[in-house]
Formats: sequence, C-alpha cells, structure tokens
Amino acid sequence: EPEVTQTPSHQVTQMGQEVILRCVPISNHLYFYWYRQILGQKVEFLVSFYNNEISEKSEIFDDQFSVERPDGSNFTLKIRSTKLEDSAMYFCASSRGETGELFFGEGSRLTVL
Amino acid sequence: AQTVTQSQPEMSVQEAETVTLSCTYDTSESDYYLFWYKQPPSRQMILVIRQEAYKQQNATENRFSVNFQKAAKSFSLKISDSQLGDAAMYFCAYRLYNQGGKLIFGQGTELSVKP
Repeated sequence: EPEVTQTPSHQVTQMGQEVILRCVPISNHLYFYWYRQILGQKVEFLVSFYNNEISEKSEIFDDQFSVERPDGSNFTLKIRSTKLEDSAMYFCASSRGETGELFFGEGSRLTVL
Repeated sequence: AQTVTQSQPEMSVQEAETVTLSCTYDTSESDYYLFWYKQPPSRQMILVIRQEAYKQQNATENRFSVNFQKAAKSFSLKISDSQLGDAAMYFCAYRLYNQGGKLIFGQGTELSVKP
C-alpha cells in the first residue's frame, strides 16, 4: 500500500542552524501538508501546498519556515534558523484532492539544543 | 475560532469489550467534517472514520462507529469487540468543508487494550 515517507526520523540540531525535513508524498497526490506536534500539545496545522505554491498557512508558519517541491517527488520543510521552541514532531501529509483523505507520514522528530 | 477537545487523556478496555472515546468541538460553521484518526506507537496516523456534518446518520466502519450530536457539538467514537491491535493514540479532528487539508485536532486519547 502506498505510504508517505519522511526523513530523517530524528534530527538533533543546534539553535540557529538550518534544518530541512523531507517527505515523499504518495505519487498521485496533488496536495501536501505539514503539521507539527510539540511534546504534550495538540497536532497543529502549519501549511498546505498545491500546484507549487502555498495555498494556506497558519500563524506558526512565519518567515523562518519555507516549503518546496524541488523535484516532483520530494516535499520539504525548511526551518532557516532553528529556535528551542521548534523542537517538535513534524508530520507530512498528502491527499489526492482538496477535500480527500489525508495520508500522514510517521513524522520527523526535531530536537533543538 | 474552531476548537476540538478530548477530555480523556487515557482510556483502557478489556479485549472483546466496547469502549467509547469522547470528543467535543466548538464552531459557528454549519458545513464541516469530523474525523477520528488512529496513531499506533511509532506509526502513521490513519483515518478511522469520517462524518459529514450535513449527514444525520452516524458513520460506521466495521467495529468503529460514531455518535454525532450536532446540536451538542459532540462526536464520540465507539469501538466494539476491542482487539489488541486497537491500542493506539486516537485523535478527533475537525475540518471546515471548504478548507481542504487544514485539520484542527484534539489533544488525543491513549487507548490501551488489556488481554
């Protein structure tokens, strides 16, 4: 069964460093998303992406964050200068249509020291 | 703003028994979807069941069913004949009808199943 895959599963970085989290969505899906979950808190929407542009973003998704689909298969989340509060589990998801079922990856745990 | 609340951080059920997980939400909108997602340990979140707000009939998927009370803004999940593989974190989520993949999640309920 097709799956959304995410790498790395866990990344540890120093505050101020750039981090790129990678996702491979399901191949025939057209809509892509990033969510995050800070430990002990709710899963929160970050951004949705369609047709090579951001379709919606939350207040969390500030200028430190960016997304791109560099090669038609990967979907990346970049955090330019990480802060301690960026430590969280980041989930990628994809869907075939705008209102279709979301399929989630296993998540990438980011630890900022 | 829309919010989703799951008031049970943890629940436990005996294998083969029935358990109900609670979820309430707050919205002023009339067109929306509600979902239950299951996240086994170290695995992806997967969709368990989905309910369209305009449908009065409660959704069912095999052993999983919901009790959707629109006026009360309540959306509980019933798991019948619980199995060991049902042990997981369960998330209730809400989405506006026209807002694509922007889900609003509850805090989650961790379900354990005792053999």
